Amino acid sequence: GQNIDQPTEMTATEGAIVQINCTYQTSGFNGLFWYQQHAGEAPTFLSYNVLDGLEEKGRFSSFLSRSKGYSYLLLKELQMKDSASYLCAVMDSNYQLIWGAGTKLIIKP
Amino acid sequence: GAVVSQHPSRVICKSGTSVKIECRSLDFQATTMFWYRQFPKKSLMLMATSNEGSKATYEQGVEKDKFLINHASLTLSTLTVTSAHPEDSSFYICSARGTDTEAFFGQGTRLTVV
Repeated sequence: GQNIDQPTEMTATEGAIVQINCTYQTSGFNGLFWYQQHAGEAPTFLSYNVLDGLEEKGRFSSFLSRSKGYSYLLLKELQMKDSASYLCAVMDSNYQLIWGAGTKLIIKP
Repeated sequence: GAVVSQHPSRVICKSGTSVKIECRSLDFQATTMFWYRQFPKKSLMLMATSNEGSKATYEQGVEKDKFLINHASLTLSTLTVTSAHPEDSSFYICSARGTDTEAFFGQGTRLTVV
């Protein structure tokens, strides 16, 4: 079967760095997405990785290792507004998005 | 980035009535549109996938006669919840994909059936 695993909840301090991990097992791979979702709102796109390595975009970076079925989202200089759920999703061989359950990130002052 | 507009953002309807939700891609041609439903404190659940000009493909357990999807053009897909019941109350989200693999999401529609 297809499976995406990510931690249910994480807590971090304002100004610090946090890494949210995602492991996956899917039928085929056409890229991995990270989305941010604030409560009551639709997810917003953060990053897309299809090749191994680190993609940096401002305070957010995303890493992919296809051989290990592993990705992480790195958030630096955390701000209170970063409190949200972070969703990992993999596009399989049929171009369907397989979603993780999301990681709720709580930022404390 | 590309823009997907979903309307309405909130709707309240009476039991037994039907509600139509629109999803439009504003600056690209969406060859594929996805409709999701989100249950409280859970991740998005894919309901169906539609390709322009063809019938939607529904996920297992989703009633096609209750959730009617029409992808009439390369910029518009609609989801109609027919004979709505309180248990249909949820957050419905569409996403659209063009020739690139990246999918863009609409703003979501919060449906409340009373």
